[in-house]
Amino acid sequence: DIVMTQSPDSLALSLGERATINCKSSQSILYTSNNKSYLAWYQQKPGQPPKELIYWASTRESGVPDRFSGSESGTDFSLTISSLQAEDVAVYYCQQYYRFPYTFGQGTKLKIK
Amino acid sequence: QVQLQESGPGLVKPSQTLSLTCTVSGGSIISSGYFWTWIRHHPGKGLEWIGHISYSGSTYYNPSLQSRVTISLDPSKNQFSLKLSSLSAADTAVYYCARTTGGDFDSWGQGTLVTVSS
Repeated sequence: DIVMTQSPDSLALSLGERATINCKSSQSILYTSNNKSYLAWYQQKPGQPPKELIYWASTRESGVPDRFSGSESGTDFSLTISSLQAEDVAVYYCQQYYRFPYTFGQGTKLKIK
Repeated sequence: QVQLQESGPGLVKPSQTLSLTCTVSGGSIISSGYFWTWIRHHPGKGLEWIGHISYSGSTYYNPSLQSRVTISLDPSKNQFSLKLSSLSAADTAVYYCARTTGGDFDSWGQGTLVTVSS
Protein backbone atom coordinates (compact mmCIF):
# COMPACT_ATOMS: atom_id res chain seq x y z
CA ASP A 1 0.00 0.00 0.00
CA ILE A 2 1.07 3.61 -0.56
CA VAL A 3 1.63 5.22 2.84
CA MET A 4 0.68 8.87 3.22
CA THR A 5 2.43 10.64 6.09
CA GLN A 6 1.26 14.07 7.20
CA SER A 7 3.08 16.64 9.29
CA PRO A 8 2.59 18.13 11.73
CA ASP A 9 -0.04 16.13 13.62
CA SER A 10 -1.42 19.40 15.00
CA LEU A 11 -0.93 23.06 14.36
CA ALA A 12 -2.00 26.13 16.34
CA LEU A 13 -1.82 29.53 14.65
CA SER A 14 -3.29 32.98 15.08
CA LEU A 15 -6.04 34.38 12.88
CA GLY A 16 -4.61 35.82 9.68
CA GLU A 17 -1.47 33.69 9.80
CA ARG A 18 -0.37 31.39 7.01
CA ALA A 19 -0.90 27.67 7.62
CA THR A 20 1.02 24.94 5.82
CA ILE A 21 0.22 21.24 6.14
CA ASN A 22 2.54 18.69 4.61
CA CYS A 23 1.92 15.24 3.16
CA LYS A 24 4.51 12.78 1.89
CA SER A 25 3.73 9.72 -0.20
CA SER A 26 5.83 6.56 0.17
CA GLN A 27 6.15 6.34 -3.62
CA SER A 28 5.47 8.49 -6.64
CA ILE A 29 1.80 9.22 -7.29
CA LEU A 30 2.50 11.11 -10.50
CA TYR A 31 1.00 9.57 -13.62
CA THR A 32 3.51 10.54 -16.28
CA SER A 33 1.12 10.11 -19.22
CA ASN A 34 -0.99 13.08 -18.09
CA ASN A 35 1.52 14.71 -15.72
CA LYS A 36 -0.99 14.71 -12.88
CA SER A 37 -0.41 13.76 -9.26
CA TYR A 38 -3.29 11.74 -7.91
CA LEU A 39 -3.63 13.54 -4.61
CA ALA A 40 -6.59 15.18 -2.90
CA TRP A 41 -7.00 17.27 0.25
CA TYR A 42 -10.04 17.20 2.54
CA GLN A 43 -11.27 19.30 5.42
CA GLN A 44 -13.28 17.68 8.21
CA LYS A 45 -15.06 19.73 10.85
CA PRO A 46 -16.49 18.12 14.03
CA GLY A 47 -19.63 16.11 13.37
CA GLN A 48 -19.35 16.52 9.60
CA PRO A 49 -18.05 14.31 6.80
CA PRO A 50 -14.83 15.24 5.02
CA LYS A 51 -15.18 17.91 2.37
CA GLU A 52 -12.96 17.87 -0.69
CA LEU A 53 -10.86 21.01 -1.09
CA ILE A 54 -8.23 20.14 -3.68
CA TYR A 55 -7.73 17.42 -6.31
CA TRP A 56 -4.91 16.72 -8.78
CA ALA A 57 -2.69 18.09 -5.98
CA SER A 58 -3.44 21.73 -6.83
CA THR A 59 -6.90 22.13 -8.42
CA ARG A 60 -9.42 23.77 -6.08
CA GLU A 61 -12.87 22.22 -5.91
CA SER A 62 -15.66 24.55 -7.00
CA GLY A 63 -16.68 26.93 -4.22
CA VAL A 64 -13.52 26.51 -2.15
CA PRO A 65 -12.08 29.88 -1.09
CA ASP A 66 -8.92 30.89 -2.92
CA ARG A 67 -6.99 31.19 0.35
CA PHE A 68 -6.66 27.38 0.06
CA SER A 69 -3.96 26.18 -2.33
CA GLY A 70 -2.09 22.97 -3.01
CA SER A 71 1.44 22.43 -4.23
CA GLU A 72 3.81 19.55 -4.90
CA SER A 73 7.46 18.67 -5.22
CA GLY A 74 8.11 15.06 -6.09
CA THR A 75 6.51 12.94 -3.39
CA ASP A 76 6.01 15.94 -1.08
CA PHE A 77 2.72 17.79 -1.11
CA SER A 78 1.47 20.83 0.79
CA LEU A 79 -1.84 22.45 1.57
CA THR A 80 -1.55 26.15 2.36
CA ILE A 81 -4.11 28.46 3.87
CA SER A 82 -2.88 31.94 3.09
CA SER A 83 -4.70 33.77 5.88
CA LEU A 84 -6.25 31.65 8.62
CA GLN A 85 -9.92 32.27 9.37
CA ALA A 86 -11.87 31.03 12.39
CA GLU A 87 -13.96 28.73 10.18
CA ASP A 88 -10.80 26.90 9.03
CA VAL A 89 -10.50 25.08 12.36
CA ALA A 90 -10.73 21.43 11.30
CA VAL A 91 -8.78 18.26 10.67
CA TYR A 92 -7.17 18.09 7.23
CA TYR A 93 -6.42 14.88 5.36
CA CYS A 94 -4.51 14.08 2.21
CA GLN A 95 -5.45 11.08 0.07
CA GLN A 96 -3.77 9.30 -2.84
CA TYR A 97 -5.88 7.85 -5.62
CA TYR A 98 -3.03 6.70 -7.83
CA ARG A 99 -3.22 3.04 -6.82
CA PHE A 100 -5.60 0.70 -4.99
CA PRO A 101 -6.17 0.59 -2.14
CA TYR A 102 -6.71 4.33 -1.91
CA THR A 103 -5.07 5.59 1.28
CA PHE A 104 -5.29 8.64 3.50
CA GLY A 105 -2.86 10.51 5.70
CA GLN A 106 -3.39 10.32 9.44
CA GLY A 107 -4.75 13.88 9.59
CA THR A 108 -3.53 17.26 10.82
CA LYS A 109 -5.57 19.12 13.43
CA LEU A 110 -5.59 22.87 12.86
CA LYS A 111 -6.47 25.10 15.81
CA ILE A 112 -6.55 28.79 16.55
CA LYS A 113 -3.95 30.04 19.01
CA GLN B 1 -26.55 18.33 -6.34
CA VAL B 2 -26.22 14.69 -5.34
CA GLN B 3 -26.85 13.75 -1.72
CA LEU B 4 -25.97 10.51 0.04
CA GLN B 5 -27.39 9.13 3.28
CA GLU B 6 -26.27 6.06 5.20
CA SER B 7 -28.66 3.87 7.16
CA GLY B 8 -28.28 0.76 9.26
CA PRO B 9 -27.88 -0.55 12.80
CA GLY B 10 -25.75 1.39 15.24
CA LEU B 11 -24.91 -1.65 17.37
CA VAL B 12 -23.87 -5.06 16.11
CA LYS B 13 -22.65 -8.10 18.02
CA PRO B 14 -19.21 -9.64 17.47
CA SER B 15 -19.05 -12.33 14.78
CA GLN B 16 -22.24 -11.00 13.14
CA THR B 17 -22.57 -9.36 9.72
CA LEU B 18 -23.01 -5.60 9.33
CA SER B 19 -25.41 -4.39 6.66
CA LEU B 20 -25.45 -0.72 5.69
CA THR B 21 -27.32 1.04 2.90
CA CYS B 22 -26.55 4.32 1.17
CA THR B 23 -29.48 6.11 -0.45
CA VAL B 24 -28.54 8.47 -3.26
CA SER B 25 -30.72 11.42 -4.25
CA GLY B 26 -30.23 14.07 -6.90
CA GLY B 27 -28.65 11.69 -9.38
CA SER B 28 -28.80 8.12 -10.66
CA ILE B 29 -26.37 5.52 -9.33
CA ILE B 30 -26.21 3.98 -12.81
CA SER B 31 -25.04 7.22 -14.40
CA SER B 32 -21.95 6.46 -16.44
CA GLY B 33 -18.57 7.17 -14.86
CA TYR B 34 -19.44 7.08 -11.18
CA PHE B 35 -18.07 4.78 -8.51
CA TRP B 36 -19.94 4.36 -5.25
CA THR B 37 -17.67 3.92 -2.27
CA TRP B 38 -17.58 2.93 1.38
CA ILE B 39 -15.02 4.50 3.71
CA ARG B 40 -14.69 4.16 7.47
CA HIS B 41 -13.13 6.25 10.20
CA HIS B 42 -11.94 4.45 13.30
CA PRO B 43 -12.24 6.47 16.53
CA GLY B 44 -9.07 8.47 17.02
CA LYS B 45 -7.51 7.05 13.88
CA GLY B 46 -7.45 7.77 10.19
CA LEU B 47 -9.74 7.11 7.27
CA GLU B 48 -9.80 3.68 5.62
CA TRP B 49 -11.09 3.01 2.10
CA ILE B 50 -13.22 -0.15 2.14
CA GLY B 51 -14.10 -0.53 -1.52
CA HIS B 52 -16.33 0.60 -4.34
CA ILE B 53 -18.83 -0.49 -6.93
CA SER B 54 -19.11 1.05 -10.36
CA TYR B 55 -22.25 2.24 -12.09
CA SER B 56 -22.13 -1.02 -14.07
CA GLY B 57 -21.73 -3.23 -10.99
CA SER B 58 -18.02 -4.05 -11.00
CA THR B 59 -16.38 -4.01 -7.58
CA TYR B 60 -12.98 -3.49 -6.04
CA TYR B 61 -12.22 -4.04 -2.38
CA ASN B 62 -9.41 -3.18 -0.02
CA PRO B 63 -7.31 -6.37 0.16
CA SER B 64 -7.18 -6.02 3.96
CA LEU B 65 -10.97 -6.53 4.08
CA GLN B 66 -11.64 -8.37 0.83
CA SER B 67 -12.52 -11.72 2.40
CA ARG B 68 -15.27 -10.11 4.52
CA VAL B 69 -16.73 -7.39 2.27
CA THR B 70 -19.51 -7.30 -0.31
CA ILE B 71 -20.75 -4.11 -1.98
CA SER B 72 -23.85 -4.24 -4.16
CA LEU B 73 -26.12 -1.93 -6.19
CA ASP B 74 -29.91 -1.66 -6.15
CA PRO B 75 -30.78 0.63 -9.07
CA SER B 76 -34.52 0.24 -8.45
CA LYS B 77 -34.10 2.04 -5.13
CA ASN B 78 -31.12 4.17 -6.17
CA GLN B 79 -29.15 2.61 -3.34
CA PHE B 80 -25.95 0.73 -2.80
CA SER B 81 -25.07 -1.45 0.16
CA LEU B 82 -22.20 -2.74 2.26
CA LYS B 83 -22.02 -6.11 3.97
CA LEU B 84 -19.11 -6.78 6.33
CA SER B 85 -18.95 -10.19 7.98
CA SER B 86 -17.22 -11.69 11.01
CA LEU B 87 -17.27 -8.44 12.92
CA SER B 88 -14.94 -7.67 15.82
CA ALA B 89 -14.37 -4.62 18.01
CA ALA B 90 -11.79 -3.47 15.47
CA ASP B 91 -14.66 -2.79 13.04
CA THR B 92 -16.14 -0.14 15.34
CA ALA B 93 -16.04 3.05 13.27
CA VAL B 94 -18.02 5.76 11.55
CA TYR B 95 -18.97 4.41 8.13
CA TYR B 96 -19.34 6.82 5.22
CA CYS B 97 -20.65 6.33 1.73
CA ALA B 98 -19.17 8.56 -0.94
CA ARG B 99 -19.06 9.16 -4.68
CA THR B 100 -16.08 9.36 -6.97
CA THR B 101 -15.31 9.51 -10.65
CA GLY B 102 -11.52 9.37 -10.68
CA GLY B 103 -10.68 8.31 -7.15
CA ASP B 104 -11.14 11.54 -5.20
CA PHE B 105 -14.39 11.85 -3.29
CA ASP B 106 -16.54 14.85 -4.15
CA SER B 107 -19.71 13.87 -2.28
CA TRP B 108 -20.07 12.17 1.09
CA GLY B 109 -22.89 11.00 3.31
CA GLN B 110 -23.09 12.29 6.88
CA GLY B 111 -21.73 9.02 8.25
CA THR B 112 -23.16 6.46 10.65
CA LEU B 113 -21.48 5.19 13.81
CA VAL B 114 -21.33 1.42 14.08
CA THR B 115 -20.32 -0.09 17.40
CA VAL B 116 -19.41 -3.76 17.64
CA SER B 117 -20.12 -4.97 21.14
CA SER B 118 -21.93 -7.80 22.89
